[in-house]
Amino acid sequence: EIVLTQSPGTLSLSPGERATLSCRASRSISANNLAWYQQKPGQAPRLLIYGASSRATDIPDRFSGSGSGTDFTLIISRLEPEDFAVYYCQQCGTSPPLTFGGGTKVEIK
Amino acid sequence: EVQVVESGGALVQPGGALRVSCAASGFSFSSYWMSWVRQAPGKGLEWVANIKQDGSEKYYVDSVKGRFTISRDNAKNSLELQMNSLRTEDTAVYHCVRVGTTVTPYYYSYYMDVWGKGTTVTVS
Repeated sequence: EIVLTQSPGTLSLSPGERATLSCRASRSISANNLAWYQQKPGQAPRLLIYGASSRATDIPDRFSGSGSGTDFTLIISRLEPEDFAVYYCQQCGTSPPLTFGGGTKVEIK
Repeated sequence: EVQVVESGGALVQPGGALRVSCAASGFSFSSYWMSWVRQAPGKGLEWVANIKQDGSEKYYVDSVKGRFTISRDNAKNSLELQMNSLRTEDTAVYHCVRVGTTVTPYYYSYYMDVWGKGTTVTVS
């Protein structure tokens, strides 16, 4: 079973600051199926990044993803008020394991 | 508009059964893998089940194997999750999700690109 560990659990930052979120896999995974999602309270998750580094439709370019093997990163270059939310990484695919990380909450400092 | 809308959530006693449904619109439903993903109160996301475009392949997280069954009706653009022998730990919001695919000459890339708002299942 692949475990995705996200860190930090909570990130306290101010608008305009840079956010760096980490997702570490317990063993090497294909970057092709590494995705990032944003979830705001009471809402469904929204796809941000797929294939580790490709932005989904209508996602602003302040969001960027990178990584390979076991280490992946989501960067929000300048936090906007609407970016304060919980972020999940996931190893997607059609057959198991389809694992989500535990999430990183980005909160206003 | 591309969307999926869930229905059927309810309060059920432990050991009981429930079927939740998902209506898809705005895209070619029969062309996509579909998934159910759940989120327990105050917790993170958990993938539950996947089904192939023609229904010939189905996969489940270990904790629901033998109790849950995913199915689809491409003629009706609908997805279902039959849940039997429900446990308190199955309490969650259940999201219907489209699995998007990008195909290149070298690889396939999969991601969950269309999410429903979810339907609430409470086992108590």
